[in-house]
Amino acid sequence: EAGVTQFPSHSVIEKGQTVTLRCDPISGHDNLYWYRRVMGKEIKFLLHFVKESKQDESGMPNNRFLAERTGGTYSTLKVQPAELEDSGVYFCASSLWTGTVPNTGELFFGEGSRLTVL
Amino acid sequence: GNSVTQMEGPVTLSEEAFLTINCTYTATGYPSLFWYVQYPGEGLQLLLKATKADDKGSNKGFEATYRKETTSFHLEKGSVQVSDSAVYFCALRRSNDYKLSFGAGTTVTVRA
Repeated sequence: EAGVTQFPSHSVIEKGQTVTLRCDPISGHDNLYWYRRVMGKEIKFLLHFVKESKQDESGMPNNRFLAERTGGTYSTLKVQPAELEDSGVYFCASSLWTGTVPNTGELFFGEGSRLTVL
Repeated sequence: GNSVTQMEGPVTLSEEAFLTINCTYTATGYPSLFWYVQYPGEGLQLLLKATKADDKGSNKGFEATYRKETTSFHLEKGSVQVSDSAVYFCALRRSNDYKLSFGAGTTVTVRA
């Protein structure tokens, strides 16, 4: 069974440009999460989808970030326009819906997409 | 708020050495505690976890005990191998939440 896949693995762009990161969760996982690790610091939560609905986007840093999950399958995270401080590794994770609230199913992470903004 | 503090790296060891990575946390209530590992070229993987005080999580020779009195969850392995070279992250999740709070990660390099 394929794990969580992310694309691209590394993206180098200039300040002001746009980048779109993609995440394909494990098939059947309704929950999809985005996390970010900036400058080798702690990994921080960005947002959470249940199917195509945003459940929690409290971690999104500002309105330059837009996440979508059309059809409840793959998700994209767009940064427009990118700033220097957006550089870091963006992780995607997915999990099964356990039927409990809050959902506490094990998270399966992708390799991450490294973003470098020059 | 919730926070996780883990020892800064990088840590470089010889094979068969003893490894300890310290992790302490701040949280209300009784969070679940985790260690995640990222091997080179791979995604974050759950290494072990503990959900209540005095629980010991173990996997692949690694162990960590949930210490409520010292708010700690230190990771230990008695004899490391080159294949243990990775970045290790301590994390917590509050009982009424699903979000993980991570530490900054510790890079471990094991030399033959």
